Amino acid sequence: TQLLEQSPQFLSIQEGENLTVYCNSSSVFSSLQWYRQEPGEGPVLLVTVVTGGEVKKLKRLTFQFGDARKDSSLHITAAQPGDTGLYLCAGQTYGNNRLAFGKGNQVVVIP
Amino acid sequence: DTEVTQTPKHLVMGMTNKKSLKCEQHMGHRAMYWYKQKAKKPPELMFVYSYEKLSINESVPSRFSPECPNSSLLNLHLHALQPEDSALYLCASSQVWDRVFTEAFFGQGTRLTVV
Repeated sequence: TQLLEQSPQFLSIQEGENLTVYCNSSSVFSSLQWYRQEPGEGPVLLVTVVTGGEVKKLKRLTFQFGDARKDSSLHITAAQPGDTGLYLCAGQTYGNNRLAFGKGNQVVVIP
Repeated sequence: DTEVTQTPKHLVMGMTNKKSLKCEQHMGHRAMYWYKQKAKKPPELMFVYSYEKLSINESVPSRFSPECPNSSLLNLHLHALQPEDSALYLCASSQVWDRVFTEAFFGQGTRLTVV
């Protein structure tokens, strides 16, 4: 059973469009991270959210943590080709030092 | 400095070879991890070290042997691997505060091919 479900698994959009991807779980997380990974490279940490309802912005990327700390979303405004990559959400449940990963959202931005 | 450095970046080894993967961080993190990632899959946890002690082994075959010589270094010794062990091996580190593990920072990975 996958602890974190990411949707959609694959998304292809034109440059300049907006997109939102989701990370959902039935478990409560003490913290949740979003990473971006390019082929053959390690995941790069984008953001950590810890407080229910928290919204964090990183340039054109907006991350939201659900009020109940069970889900998160990533919204990209005016997507650019450089946003192409695999977006992974990962979280830690309370008292657990294992980082659970979702399967990822593969985003392709077409110039 | 939020860098985790892994060497080598690429490794090709035969099934009878012995090799080692190395990982280094200078962020003062006291938890270090090894993950294995196959193509189009998320990273899978292999080992966790906390304060230089092995705290988690996710039932990894003994042909993979981790070592944490000090708080900045993590090695993964490889012996008698199989072709199905070919994957991207990722090292990560995180801080530990009062037994709570913070977000993990990953290295660039070692692309391992077993022939």
